[in-house]
Amino acid sequence: GDSVTQMEGPVTLSEEAFLTINCTYTATGYPSLFWYVQYPGEGLQLLLKATKADDKGSNKGFEATYRKETTSFHLEKGSVQVSDSAVYFCALRSRDDKIIFGKGTRLHILP
Amino acid sequence: EAGVAQSPRYKIIEKRQSVAFWCNPISGHATLYWYQQILGQGPKLLIQFQNNGVVDDSQLPKDRFSAERLKGVDSTLKIQPAKLEDSAVYLCASSRRQGANQPQHFGDGTRLSIL
Repeated sequence: GDSVTQMEGPVTLSEEAFLTINCTYTATGYPSLFWYVQYPGEGLQLLLKATKADDKGSNKGFEATYRKETTSFHLEKGSVQVSDSAVYFCALRSRDDKIIFGKGTRLHILP
Repeated sequence: EAGVAQSPRYKIIEKRQSVAFWCNPISGHATLYWYQQILGQGPKLLIQFQNNGVVDDSQLPKDRFSAERLKGVDSTLKIQPAKLEDSAVYLCASSRRQGANQPQHFGDGTRLSIL
């Protein structure tokens, strides 16, 4: 079945460092891809999405590009802030309209 | 617009007891989802409603879990009796309708601890 694999955390970086969180997927067809963020004590918020190959989703300085050839959707940010500390989930929307999440990557940003 | 509302925020019960969670979706959203998020894992879909009908409950443990959305607006999820492995955050989400381009909006969740 469809699945999402993302790098395990926690990831600890200093403020202003470059961030990459890897995500790869297995799916039938060409699913929509998402990154969600979960701040402490809150629900999930959609961070960005891409619906077809080579699309780039972006929001709040974060970017991810839908790479069909490598079945990847890596999350990047050029300069992280302490306020970016959260858990990040990569997800896909399957052909039967289900959202399948990865296990999440906890990000700690040190001041 | 107001977001997805869930209550309670936290619940602690003993195993074999019963518990219920409530969710009020965003006004006008026809599709409602319940997810279970076990610590260290991503959310897993338990059940999906379209208005007051069940679209998908294939991953709902029906021997102990039940959910309803009688009037097609708010929804309740019940566990009876609870087991230790039910400790998790239960997330409710809603979207305007089904479909690949419909974003899901999540509530803050109910954190359930089973003693």
